[in-house]
Amino acid sequence: ETGVTQTPRHLVMGMTNKKSLKCEQHLGHNAMYWYKQSAKKPLELMFVYSLEERVENNSVPSRFSPECPNSSHLFLHLHTLQPEDSALYLCASSRGYNGGETQYFGPGTRLLVL
Amino acid sequence: GIQVEQSPPDLILQEGANSTLRCNFSDSVNNLQWFHQNPWGQLINLFYIPSGTKQNGRLSATTVATERYSLLYISSSQTTDSGVYFCAVEPVQGAQKLVFGQGTRLTINP
Repeated sequence: ETGVTQTPRHLVMGMTNKKSLKCEQHLGHNAMYWYKQSAKKPLELMFVYSLEERVENNSVPSRFSPECPNSSHLFLHLHTLQPEDSALYLCASSRGYNGGETQYFGPGTRLLVL
Repeated sequence: GIQVEQSPPDLILQEGANSTLRCNFSDSVNNLQWFHQNPWGQLINLFYIPSGTKQNGRLSATTVATERYSLLYISSSQTTDSGVYFCAVEPVQGAQKLVFGQGTRLTINP
């Protein structure tokens, strides 16, 4: 138990569906992250939020839309995804966004796009 | 950008064996973390070790920042040590952007 939870743990969706992934951290952290882990590829950073403001967008397609309503919650809204978007989506948090901070990861959402 | 290379890519050992996993990185870093990813996908922090040596039970890690590498040692391996071990670095240029290596897949057989 790392103090970071993610729901759902598994998700199957069609290319025309709209779904959302949820992440919640119970660590009192101020920075939250979305990562994508595809087969045979390293983890890729998608988005970073610090104090509820987006500070990084790593050239992610607009069919992925993040939302950070407060410092404890992070969402990833999905729409019109492609089969190549199937992957493990990991959320992480850290105390701050100042460099040299340990990141703590949630268990991930395993997404399959049909 | 910074390159992170882990070796070996795969390692198969018998229970009780010792192992050394290596992480090389191509530029100066503020942060280096070792993670273990279990078969269900959960990434567990093992060490935050931008430099020096740390030990936690059967695991220890050493980072030599000036030579741009880190080593993870696992002694007396158990089957529960199986999984993928990732090294991730935060380059000095690009604070808080953890860049991950490809991982080492460790399989411990009983």
